[in-house]
Amino acid sequence: GEDVEQSLFLSVREGDSSVINCTYTDSSSTYLYWYKQEPGAGLQLLTYIFSNMDMKQDQRLTVLLNKKDKHLSLRIADTQTGDSAIYFCAERPSGGYQKVTFGTGTKLQVIP
Amino acid sequence: NAGVTQTPKFQVLKTGQSMTLQCAQDMNHNSMYWYRQDPGMGLRLIYYSASEGTTDKGEVPNGYNVSRLNKREFSLRLESAAPSQTSVYFCASSPSYGQHFGDGTRLSIL
Repeated sequence: GEDVEQSLFLSVREGDSSVINCTYTDSSSTYLYWYKQEPGAGLQLLTYIFSNMDMKQDQRLTVLLNKKDKHLSLRIADTQTGDSAIYFCAERPSGGYQKVTFGTGTKLQVIP
Repeated sequence: NAGVTQTPKFQVLKTGQSMTLQCAQDMNHNSMYWYRQDPGMGLRLIYYSASEGTTDKGEVPNGYNVSRLNKREFSLRLESAAPSQTSVYFCASSPSYGQHFGDGTRLSIL
C-alpha cells in the first residue's frame, strides 16, 4: 500500500531555516500536504501542492516537490520558537480524497 | 468560528464499557473522518463519510461503529472498549482539498 516516510526529529536554532523532508511511494498522488500539530491540539493544514507543480511559496513557507524521486520538502524561513511542533506530510491519490496517507511526523525543536 | 468540535476532550473507560465520541462541524463540508493517532504510527483512518447518509471503512475499523447523523455530525462508537483502543481520536471534515481537524479526544481504556 501507500507509504509516507519522514525523519522523526529536527533541531534548529531560532532565526535559521528549517527543512523537513518527506518521501512517498504512490505515483498517482494528486495533492501533497503539510500539516502542523502543536501539543494537545489537532492537525492544522499549513499548505498543499498539486502534483503538477514543482514549488509553492507562502510567506515563510516553501514547498518543493520532486515528482521523479517522490520527494517533498517544507522549508521554514527565519524559524521562530512558535514553529516548534510536529509536522506531518500527507498525500492523496487521484480519485480518492478519502484515502489520505499521513507520515509519522517530524518533531521540530527550535532552540532560542 | 468553531470549525470542528469534538466531545469529550478526555475520557477513561474500563475494559468492556461502551462509549460514543461526538463530532460536529459548522463549515458545511460533505466529507467527515475519524482517525486514531498512536505514538510512532501517524494517523490511521478508522471510518469516513463521503456525504450525509454514507459511511465506509478505513484502515482500522474493527471494534468501532459510526453514524453520520446529519451533514454536521459524525459520531464514533466503541461498543466494548479494549485496552488496544487507548489512543487519541481525531475527527476531521473536508472540502475538496485538505482536512480540518478537531482538537481530539484522549481516550484511555483500563
